[in-house]
Amino acid sequence: DAGVIQSPRHEVTEMGQEVTLRCKPISGHDYLFWYRQTMMRGLELLIYFNNNVPIDDSGMPEDRFSAKMPNASFSTLKIQPSEPRDSAVYFCASSPDRGGPQPQHFGDGTRLSIL
Amino acid sequence: AQKVTQAQTEISVVEKEDVTLDCVYETRDTTYYLFWYKQPPSGELVFLIRRNSFDEQNEISGRYSWNFQKSTSSFNFTITASQVVDSAVYFCALSEPTYNTDKLIFGTGTRLQVFP
Repeated sequence: DAGVIQSPRHEVTEMGQEVTLRCKPISGHDYLFWYRQTMMRGLELLIYFNNNVPIDDSGMPEDRFSAKMPNASFSTLKIQPSEPRDSAVYFCASSPDRGGPQPQHFGDGTRLSIL
Repeated sequence: AQKVTQAQTEISVVEKEDVTLDCVYETRDTTYYLFWYKQPPSGELVFLIRRNSFDEQNEISGRYSWNFQKSTSSFNFTITASQVVDSAVYFCALSEPTYNTDKLIFGTGTRLQVFP
């Protein structure tokens, strides 16, 4: 089975530009999570969805960040406008809904650098 | 307050040594779940184990073993006869279904370096 697929793997852009990160979860998984990893703050949950509906976005840093899940097989995380402090590795993860928290399967991440 | 504490920031061992990574958690939930993940230098996060609060049996998987002790709120991870390929950052995580549904709260990780 294909795992969680994220694109792009690397993104370098200048501050002020819009950045869109993409994620395809594992087929059949009902939960999708977006995380950010930095040296200073570690792994932070930004937002997660259940059956395409956002459940908790309390980790989204500010209004410049938005996430959507238009269908069960696709999600985007958008940053507009981007700032250098947004530089991080962004992970997408998915898990099935089988009663009780299940192991989350992570994508390879997108390494984002904002100049 | 930290919900998941991994006090060891970095551990260095020589191959074939045994090493234990500590994880202490804090929760009000009576039903909760604990996880360990491995992040090798390549960067991906790999699931290792999931344990619920009602199952206090220790688990062994090859060279890996986990010691869950509710009395001390700890879920420690031991690698026996470590190998260079075990070099990675290891994360412990907690899920509290009553309060946070399926969110994972990660510790800050322990970087393990295994030298040949």
